Amino acid sequence: LAKTTQPISMDSYEGQEVNITCSHNNIATNDYITWYQQFPSQGPRFIIQGYKTKVTNEVASLFIPADRKSSTLSLPRVSLSDTAVYYCLVQDSGAGSYQLTFGKGTKLSVIP
Amino acid sequence: DSGVTQTPKHLITATGQRVTLRCSPRSGDLSVYWYQQSLDQGLQFLIQYYNGEERAKGNILERFSAQQFPDLHSELNLSSLELGDSALYFCASSRGAKNIQYFGAGTRLSVL
Repeated sequence: LAKTTQPISMDSYEGQEVNITCSHNNIATNDYITWYQQFPSQGPRFIIQGYKTKVTNEVASLFIPADRKSSTLSLPRVSLSDTAVYYCLVQDSGAGSYQLTFGKGTKLSVIP
Repeated sequence: DSGVTQTPKHLITATGQRVTLRCSPRSGDLSVYWYQQSLDQGLQFLIQYYNGEERAKGNILERFSAQQFPDLHSELNLSSLELGDSALYFCASSRGAKNIQYFGAGTRLSVL
């Protein structure tokens, strides 16, 4: 089964660009990579989704190399309100089973 | 507001009891997912339903069960509750092939 690996935590100063990388070595051909943001005691919120290359929306960019074994979420010019846990999700259809594997998440702390 | 409604918001019960958590998905979403999140832990996928049928199963205990009704709302039943079942339980819904999930605010279960 595919498994995602992310850094447990990251610190950044306000106004800096933050890049969080997720490793997913066993990603299947048809899987999408999706990132979510979660604040304490709230449900996760969709940020961005991609299949390959680069995707950009109004809040983030997602970079996916050709082999798709990793992905990088890029948050431009973070603010204090970006302090949250960020999850990478790959819809895992390996080994004949269908699993939804969230990583343990990356706790981003933005420092003033 | 994600459009996903979970009730109740809080639930306090005793060990050995049984509870039912309810989820109303976004209008038009056919898939419903259930997750468990213990204190400072990541999201553990429990089970997914699609249009009334079980679609995927994660690390759901035998004491737990779920169903999705014809009106697409879903219920998660937790029985023979143990202290370790205390957690936030999230429901999410999605539509389409990319399965972007929209999460509810969660039900906080406290087993005393």
